[in-house]
Amino acid sequence: AQSVTQLDSHVSVSEGTPVLLRCNYSSSYSPSLFWYVQHPNKGLQLLLKYTSAATLVKGINGFEAEFKKSETSFHLTKPSAHMSDAAEYFCVVTPFGGYNKLIFGAGTRLAVHP
Amino acid sequence: ETGVTQSPTHLIKTRGQQVTLRCSSQSGHNTVSWYQQALGQGPQFIFQYYREEENGRGNFPPRFSGLQFPNYSSELNVNALELDDSALYLCASSLGGSDTGELFFGEGSRLTVL
Repeated sequence: AQSVTQLDSHVSVSEGTPVLLRCNYSSSYSPSLFWYVQHPNKGLQLLLKYTSAATLVKGINGFEAEFKKSETSFHLTKPSAHMSDAAEYFCVVTPFGGYNKLIFGAGTRLAVHP
Repeated sequence: ETGVTQSPTHLIKTRGQQVTLRCSSQSGHNTVSWYQQALGQGPQFIFQYYREEENGRGNFPPRFSGLQFPNYSSELNVNALELDDSALYLCASSLGGSDTGELFFGEGSRLTVL
């Protein structure tokens, strides 16, 4: 079975400093992995996706993630946090042939302080 | 603006009652998925509808049921409500037959069961 584990439930950074949100996955095959973001009172939005092409994936709003098979990780990073990045972030995996039936991690709440 | 709309946005029910939640999918999308997001957790897949047929179901009991209409809008019905059914219910639309992981989510219907 496929699953994702988000290693931090809360992350707090200062504006302008780097962001690192950690995610490990478990899968018996090469997975498709995603990061979604959920702002308060907004729908979930896809940030970026990995589907077995380039291991370094660039997403919207300056976020990127690197797929590391040896570490079974897919950590999300951003060089410089902005106040508007404050939100809940979800690491997501799809089952093989799952046709968009997403499996979400528990989420990481990112706080950005001035 | 994702184009996926859900109603109602908030509702309160008591144990044993029944509830119907509604979702209008994004224009051009023929697949609708429903997710349950309990407080402090990631969304969990309930089921998916493709061209009016159920196309996969998560680990939810039969009292969770759904419909998809010819215009691809959808309903989620929950019978015999339990306290643990209190959650944010998310609807997401996508193009059937794709495995991109990109779903377009509505803002959700928050159900409170007393």
